[in-house]
Amino acid sequence: AIQMTQSPSSLSASVGDRVTITCRASQGIRNDLGWYQQKPGKAPKLLIYAASSLHSGAPSRFSGSGFGTDFTLTISSLQPEDFATYYCLQDNSYPWTFGQGTKVELK
Amino acid sequence: EEHLVESGGGLVQPGESLRLSCAGSGFTFSSYEMNWVRQAPGKGLEWVSYISSSGTTVYYADSVKGRFTISRDNAGNSMSLLMNSLRADDTAVYYCARELIAGALDCWGQGTLVTVSS
Repeated sequence: AIQMTQSPSSLSASVGDRVTITCRASQGIRNDLGWYQQKPGKAPKLLIYAASSLHSGAPSRFSGSGFGTDFTLTISSLQPEDFATYYCLQDNSYPWTFGQGTKVELK
Repeated sequence: EEHLVESGGGLVQPGESLRLSCAGSGFTFSSYEMNWVRQAPGKGLEWVSYISSSGTTVYYADSVKGRFTISRDNAGNSMSLLMNSLRADDTAVYYCARELIAGALDCWGQGTLVTVSS
């Protein structure tokens, strides 16, 4: 199975900060990667698919990049509603695998 | 509005079985591939299973292969996950999720909690 290594596991940031989260795949997955946001007690929400495509309804401050093994989720200016846990998910081959998650907390 | 609603969760003893259901509404259920994803208490997300739009192709995580069976009823706009030989480490909130053409999960249910404990 493809392993997804996500970093950092947590970070502290302030409103307005630029935040970057990375995922590394154990083998090449082209651009078959999505990013999800999850708040406590809620289902995950899709933010980015195909590594860099913004999902309909997701704010434009979220962006994704990468191809092959290294991927990045960037929040250009952190907003109060962005404090949450973020996961990457590779959908290149089964079994699909998630990263371990990154919890974004208020500094 | 597009909705997915899971049901069937509950408390079971180790070794027992449970069937989860996922009902779709507000979209053409039969056109979409579907997945189950779970989350153990306080832990991250784990992909569990996939079923094609026709139901002819399925995949499973290694952790559930041979114990869980995914199926769907397109006429009834629903999907099921039959879970046999349940173990304590199957305890989790189980989500059903619709798959976009691009392979991403764009619509999720609210989740149903399965607790396996004696």
